Amino acid sequence: DTEVTQTPKHLVMGMTNKKSLKCEQHMGHRAMYWYKQKAKKPPELMFVYSYEKLSINESVPSRFSPECPNSSLLNLHLHALQPEDSALYLCASSQDRTVSGNTIYFGEGSWLTVV
Amino acid sequence: QKEVEQDPGPLSVPEGAIVSLNCTYSNSAFQYFMWYRQYSRKGPELLMYTYSSGNKEDGRFTAQVDKSSKYISLFIRDSQPSDSATYLCAMSLYSSASKIIFGSGTRLSIRP
Repeated sequence: DTEVTQTPKHLVMGMTNKKSLKCEQHMGHRAMYWYKQKAKKPPELMFVYSYEKLSINESVPSRFSPECPNSSLLNLHLHALQPEDSALYLCASSQDRTVSGNTIYFGEGSWLTVV
Repeated sequence: QKEVEQDPGPLSVPEGAIVSLNCTYSNSAFQYFMWYRQYSRKGPELLMYTYSSGNKEDGRFTAQVDKSSKYISLFIRDSQPSDSATYLCAMSLYSSASKIIFGSGTRLSIRP
């Protein structure tokens, strides 16, 4: 079982709703990530937090707002989404964003459907 | 040209066969190579992680990296129906896990 836990597993929301995806990792990692994955496509990087600070934002629309309350928690706040934002949202973590040789571990994902 | 090329499949083999999954890449700076397994509607699970060239074995899985040919492979011996999944290759530069580049994934089906 993965040590990166995501909730909820499934979420259906309307275009005017505000919701949040939550992620927790139990490995003492200092870097956490949000990825978006569409069907039959590889994961696409959205945000990277390193030591609780946002270090990478891959030009993601402002309707997605990440938050890192502490080193083990990562949230993704969702507001005014579009149907094309429906996808699997993956949280991941790694030991440290800058250390050579480390790699990332994914959670099981949150399936988001925007109606 | 994509940085990482991976045949999307689907690849269908009988149970017990040896499976060979492959990726090619164009950036010679990649140093770290990974294989992830992803079951339908689940997150990717790290299977194998290798540095630079050479082989690494873990149970029924063997990962090979040939940096001179810019080619990586994952072999699955004695394949089982439970191995049916999408396999993603991934690679990164020396400095940052956030620069991981994924292949598009190969869908594998093991027939009982």
